[in-house]
Amino acid sequence: AQSVSQHNHHVILSEAASLELGCNYSYGGTVNLFWYVQYPGQHLQLLLKYFSGDPLVKGIKGFEAEFIKSKFSFNLRKPSVQWSDTAEYFCAVGVTSGTYKYIFGTGTRLKVLA
Amino acid sequence: DTAVSQTPKYLVTQMGNDKSIKCEQNLGHDTMYWYKQDSKKFLKIMFSYNNKELIINETVPNRFSPKSPDKAHLNLHINSLELGDSAVYFCASSQESQRGYGYTFGSGTRLTVV
Repeated sequence: AQSVSQHNHHVILSEAASLELGCNYSYGGTVNLFWYVQYPGQHLQLLLKYFSGDPLVKGIKGFEAEFIKSKFSFNLRKPSVQWSDTAEYFCAVGVTSGTYKYIFGTGTRLKVLA
Repeated sequence: DTAVSQTPKYLVTQMGNDKSIKCEQNLGHDTMYWYKQDSKKFLKIMFSYNNKELIINETVPNRFSPKSPDKAHLNLHINSLELGDSAVYFCASSQESQRGYGYTFGSGTRLTVV
């Protein structure tokens, strides 16, 4: 069965620290890859996406992610986090298995200390 | 102008009651979804409709019945509510032909069953 793993459940960083959140998926076919952010009490917003082409994608707010096909990974990075980045981060993989659907990871809660 | 709007935002009700959550999108998308986010923030797809036709129906109890009167609306009716139904329910929409662009989520409905 397809699945998405986010190994870091809780991450605490100080402002200006660098961030890397892991995302691995299990699916052998073509995938679309996404990172969503959910700020406290809010809905999910798209941070960035990979559809095809350059495996290094840049998103909003200084985030980027790299698709490494051989590792089935799509890790999220930011060189210097801010207090306002405190949120829940979800990796999602779009797969076509019968019908097209998203599979979400379990989320990583990031807390940035001022 | 809200792209995906859900009502109500909060819903507190007693066990055994029947309730509905409404969702409307003004993006012209042809596909709509219901996701359930539990207390651990895990997101699980429940249903997906494409042009008013049900295309995804995950293992959801029969007490949950989606209805799509047109492609801009996807409502969720829940019969005989149980304590375990307490969660945040998110509606989302997308354009099937533009899968790589991701979903647009509503702001969520926090359902509390007491």
